Amino acid sequence: DTGVSQDPRHKITKRGQNVTFRCDPISEHNRLYWYRQTLGQGPEFLTYFQNEAQLEKSRLLSDRFSAERPKGSFSTLEIQRTEQGDSAMYLCASSTTSGGSYNEQFFGPGTRLTVL
Amino acid sequence: GDSVTQMEGPVTLSEEAFLTINCTYTATGYPSLFWYVQYPGEGLQLLLKATKADDKGSNKGFEATYRKETTSFHLEKGSVQVSDSAVYFCALSGNASWGKLQFGAGTQVVVTP
Repeated sequence: DTGVSQDPRHKITKRGQNVTFRCDPISEHNRLYWYRQTLGQGPEFLTYFQNEAQLEKSRLLSDRFSAERPKGSFSTLEIQRTEQGDSAMYLCASSTTSGGSYNEQFFGPGTRLTVL
Repeated sequence: GDSVTQMEGPVTLSEEAFLTINCTYTATGYPSLFWYVQYPGEGLQLLLKATKADDKGSNKGFEATYRKETTSFHLEKGSVQVSDSAVYFCALSGNASWGKLQFGAGTQVVVTP
């Protein structure tokens, strides 16, 4: 397995355009997380899925953001009507579940979004 | 809500020097604590973790001890190498069963030969 992959790695768009990012988790992982990281800050949680169910969304995830994981495998994150404040690195992570113990989250390389 | 505070960088050290990065947290209950590392051009990697008070996590010569009385999880390494140059993130998970992570702002470490 090659780990978590994200596509594209870089995206430059104009304000007001829509963008969509894709995340492919490690194949046997049933949990998938999205985080956002701005320059000089740590990643901030956006949302997570267990299989195809979206179980929590951060208040950071405004109505312009939507995430899906239709078949419980890959996930997409769409941002509508992008704003300059959306410029950030968008990180995806995946993990397994096993009882109540912590399961390591494996991170992808991220998609860097620049909104002009 | 939960939060993590870590010392600001950059921290610049000579090779073989001792490294400490301070991390303190605020959380209800009994969070799990982590250190993640991000090497230049690479994704975040878990460096070490501790899931209960007084646990010591260790990996690659790095150590951190979960101190509930001081709500701290300081990262230490006795002798750094140039290859340890990276950004280090302290993080917590307030609910070990599903693992949403709350990160600190990160500390850049630069090790010079």
